[in-house]
Amino acid sequence: DVKVTQSSRYLVKRTGEKVFLECVQDMDHENMFWYRQDPGLGLRLIYFSYDVKMKEKGDIPEGYSVSREKKERFSLILESASTNQTSMYLCASSRTGRDTQYFGPGTRLTVL
Amino acid sequence: EDQVTQSPEALRLQEGESSSLNCSYTVSGLRGLFWYRQDPGKGPEFLFTLYSAGEEKEKERLKATLTKKESFLHITAPKPEDSATYLCAVQAWTGRRALTFGSGTRLQVQP
Repeated sequence: DVKVTQSSRYLVKRTGEKVFLECVQDMDHENMFWYRQDPGLGLRLIYFSYDVKMKEKGDIPEGYSVSREKKERFSLILESASTNQTSMYLCASSRTGRDTQYFGPGTRLTVL
Repeated sequence: EDQVTQSPEALRLQEGESSSLNCSYTVSGLRGLFWYRQDPGKGPEFLFTLYSAGEEKEKERLKATLTKKESFLHITAPKPEDSATYLCAVQAWTGRRALTFGSGTRLQVQP
């Protein structure tokens, strides 16, 4: 079974803090994705990566950056957290050529 | 721009009462249509991928079908444990490999 893990289930941070969300997958998938999910807005793509050290902006990249130094790990960074970044953050991975994405359990981030 | 619209937003069924969820999509060349189930506070769980019009897939009480403009998730004789939010997503042949999601249908099955 594909397993995608995220470093924290719940996180509370203060405005202006730098926040790191970590995602690890164990199936040697090339593609990794970060989404945020908000009520009424569905899942929105923040960033994705097709390979190590490669990254592409999604639909809502403002205020975020990412890092992919190893194939299995994809990190989402909030450079200076703001209250409007309070959300559920979901990481996913997929194999190139088989487009099914497998999701982690999510991190519910609250920025105070 | 790819778009996915799911209806209804919410659905309440009695146990054993069959129904269907709708997913209408607009995409510049469909590469795949995906159905996921999401329980409260958890990540989406993969259910089905459909690739071409006329294709059907089944899993227990769930059956997904696909036409050129929409997909249906049929739930036959649902049980309370089928209560969840069901998400539909599409992927286009052109451009990025990410999925475009609908807002989901929140299903509640009462005993």
